[in-house]
Amino acid sequence: GAGVSQSPRYKVAKRGQDVALRCDPISGHVSLFWYQQALGQGPEFLTYFQNEAQLDKSGLPSDRFFAERPEGSVSTLKIQRTQQEDSAVYLCASSLEPRQTRGLFFGSGTQLSVL
Amino acid sequence: SQELEQSPQSLIVQEGKNLTINCTSSKTLYGLYWYKQKYGEGLIFLMMLQKGGEEKSHEKITAKLDEKKQQSSLHITASQPSHAGIYLCGKRDNFNKFYFGSGTKLNVKP
Repeated sequence: GAGVSQSPRYKVAKRGQDVALRCDPISGHVSLFWYQQALGQGPEFLTYFQNEAQLDKSGLPSDRFFAERPEGSVSTLKIQRTQQEDSAVYLCASSLEPRQTRGLFFGSGTQLSVL
Repeated sequence: SQELEQSPQSLIVQEGKNLTINCTSSKTLYGLYWYKQKYGEGLIFLMMLQKGGEEKSHEKITAKLDEKKQQSSLHITASQPSHAGIYLCGKRDNFNKFYFGSGTKLNVKP
């Protein structure tokens, strides 16, 4: 596609519900990143893929968070048993090559509200 | 990320005025990136600086990198309302993990 696509754009979940957020990176992009952005803050790193390999998941806040990219393209971020503190915008970004010499390309994000 | 500190946190300027945003890293910089985020949207890449002393410009925005000081500055000349948004600096570590600063929120009064 022309850009990074994320869905849904908005998600409202009841506390305890599981959610799945999808990211379609730019075709051919090797690296894929997930970030969590709280209101008024910069994006916080969650996890990073190079093709299908998850190279770093040190930013995932708890074992309720799980990300996958099984075929090296589309990625899904899953949050189990959502809590109110999970409310944030979740941003996905991709880059053509690992060294990101042209920077990361971002999707518009998924705004998650946990009630 | 605590590795990247941005200042100021927020800024309100009158249209036509110049302004500077700073970004300081607590660790070695392998490259410094500047992004802009409009409220409720994703980040837009502005420019990347790789070498100490490097300076790049795009329209009325100029960024410089002081590698020794592990610092970068973003300067906007003759600001316009279209410049309003959140400016974020970012860096990658030697494992290609990408971090951001906490951002500088800019409002430009017409």
